[in-house]
Amino acid sequence: DAKTTQPPSMDCAEGRAANLPCNHSTISGNEYVYWYRQIHSQGPQYIIHGLKNNETNEMASLIITEDRKSSTLILPHATLRDTAVYYCIVYNQGGKLIFGQGTELSVKP
Amino acid sequence: GAGVSQSPRYKVAKRGQDVALRCDPISGHVSLFWYQQALGQGPEFLTYFQNEAQLDKSGLPSDRFFAERPEGSVSTLKIQRTQQEDSAVYLCASSSSGSSYNEQFFGPGTRLTVL
Repeated sequence: DAKTTQPPSMDCAEGRAANLPCNHSTISGNEYVYWYRQIHSQGPQYIIHGLKNNETNEMASLIITEDRKSSTLILPHATLRDTAVYYCIVYNQGGKLIFGQGTELSVKP
Repeated sequence: GAGVSQSPRYKVAKRGQDVALRCDPISGHVSLFWYQQALGQGPEFLTYFQNEAQLDKSGLPSDRFFAERPEGSVSTLKIQRTQQEDSAVYLCASSSSGSSYNEQFFGPGTRLTVL
């Protein structure tokens, strides 16, 4: 079973920031938080990951709370191409990713 | 460079037929994963290879499912005596090392429909 909880869907206006929350209250000290997204009819795509500190790359920012029980993925200026299902994953040891239901983000013009 | 490729992209099988799905990982990637994605659901882990060694096959749903990676590169997922419940998208992913924390690169998937 997935160790994360995400809202099933969210809307965002084009050009605005999209903030996608994730709860992972049972995360262990050595487990990372990963985010992937899946655009319709494509395979999942890696976005970002973090352990304790906030992280930023060219795609997004990841904010992890100090107690590590939740995190937020931020897409600073959402475009229509960011419409996808976003998965928050607590990385299970052994390599396999355990996906939950994810959040379906709709970016609207 | 090329990403992960899968073939065929679409496969229709009659119930009871055997199917073989191919995955070409990114060149040099050590780890290879297979996932199954039912309609409207997130991907579910099937099996994992490190080079030619199958280290985890805990997600294979039945003994009708078999995966191999004999030379540590291309992998084949075989499903024998297909059933309607096997209808799904089968995703392959690869990563560059055996480390647990490397990102996985996914292929486009093979959509299997069993009639």
